[in-house]
Amino acid sequence: KQEVTQIPAALSVPEGENLVLNCSFTDSAIYNLQWFRQDPGKGLTSLLLIQSSQREQTSGRLNASLDKSSGRSTLYIAASQPGDSATYLCAVSNTDKLIFGTGTRLQVFP
Amino acid sequence: DAGVTQSPTHLIKTRGQHVTLRCSPISGHKSVSWYQQVLGQGPQFIFQYYEKEERGRGNFPDRFSARQFPNYSSELNVNALLLGDSALYLCASSFDPLNTEAFFGQGTRLTVV
Repeated sequence: KQEVTQIPAALSVPEGENLVLNCSFTDSAIYNLQWFRQDPGKGLTSLLLIQSSQREQTSGRLNASLDKSSGRSTLYIAASQPGDSATYLCAVSNTDKLIFGTGTRLQVFP
Repeated sequence: DAGVTQSPTHLIKTRGQHVTLRCSPISGHKSVSWYQQVLGQGPQFIFQYYEKEERGRGNFPDRFSARQFPNYSSELNVNALLLGDSALYLCASSFDPLNTEAFFGQGTRLTVV
């Protein structure tokens, strides 16, 4: 059974810091891995999609890497801003569904 | 382009009642999935529909049902509501069911009292 774990559960940092959020999964047989952002009480916003054959994807200040063999992905956020404050979720695609971690709650203070 | 739209945004129901949640996918997307998210947890998979057929079902009781219409919009129905059904219900659309990016709506917040 696929299980997804995210560490840390919460993170509070000053503006300007570079951050690394971690995601691990137990079964390497995945189609892809997707990172999402969720603001309180809102839906999910897709940030990055990494196909199983890829090693990383970049979008602006965000960079996500994937190591299928070790069951790990990291989301790197450069030069964090208060507007980055949200919960970040990773999800692996496994046949008919996405399997999510419980998220990392990020707070960036000025 | 319009994103994934869900209605209603908020809903309060009494135990034992029935509820219908609606989702319109992004234009051109034929796959719709439903997820339940309780506070502090990641979303849990309920159903996936592709080309109007059920492609997958999560570990939810038979009180939960769904369907997809010819225009690819979808409904999630929950019968005999329980307090534990209170959650944020999320709809996701994608071009195909397996290997493409999933886009989520803003969710429907269901409160059962």
